[in-house]
Amino acid sequence: NAGVTQTPKFQVLKTGQSMTLQCAQDMNHNSMYWYRQDPGMGLRLIYYSASEGTTDKGEVPNGYNVSRLNKREFSLRLESAAPSQTSVYFCASSAGHRAFVSSGNTIYFGEGSWLTVV
Amino acid sequence: RKEVEQDPGPFNVPEGATVAFNCTYSNSASQSFFWYRQDCRKEPKLLMSVYSSGNEDGRFTAQLNRASQYISLLIRDSKLSDSATYLCVVSRGFNKFYFGSGTKLNVKP
Repeated sequence: NAGVTQTPKFQVLKTGQSMTLQCAQDMNHNSMYWYRQDPGMGLRLIYYSASEGTTDKGEVPNGYNVSRLNKREFSLRLESAAPSQTSVYFCASSAGHRAFVSSGNTIYFGEGSWLTVV
Repeated sequence: RKEVEQDPGPFNVPEGATVAFNCTYSNSASQSFFWYRQDCRKEPKLLMSVYSSGNEDGRFTAQLNRASQYISLLIRDSKLSDSATYLCVVSRGFNKFYFGSGTKLNVKP
């Protein structure tokens, strides 16, 4: 029962370095999301992909890019990391389909990626 | 105004106590409602969905009041293992989820 899998779990970057967070889900979900969580700020949506082939900005997209590689995979890239991007990043997925809304369209999270930019 | 608002707590309660958390949401078009639990340094996990008629799962009872745009979670007979942050989540459409900042619960021996 893998659900949502994201890698790496921990990463330390130097300012200006780039990296990609990988995420895959095995639940045949249409929609995928990237959130960041900072103390006292709650979960903030960075980008989401409603379905394969589409991506949209969330609340805090600056400094990030995403790729929906296929239905299973959704990656998050930091092109030039900054200390302000030190955070915990969560990938998530949901069915994202009309048939599931009435029965409770829930969102499932990966275990998180702890990123420190020094 | 935030989409979902919760009292951040912390709520410090003794084992065996009954504790209630409240949450309000701002958009009347919201369709689905949930409580998630998040342990320290872990991902949020679904605790229970919230239905219009109210629903119960063991020691946990969730209520929804659409007229007042209000959701509640009641935990009876608190256990040490209930210590966590509880997130109120509201959704609209197929892929719009709105999270409260969470209410921290500490259950003490």
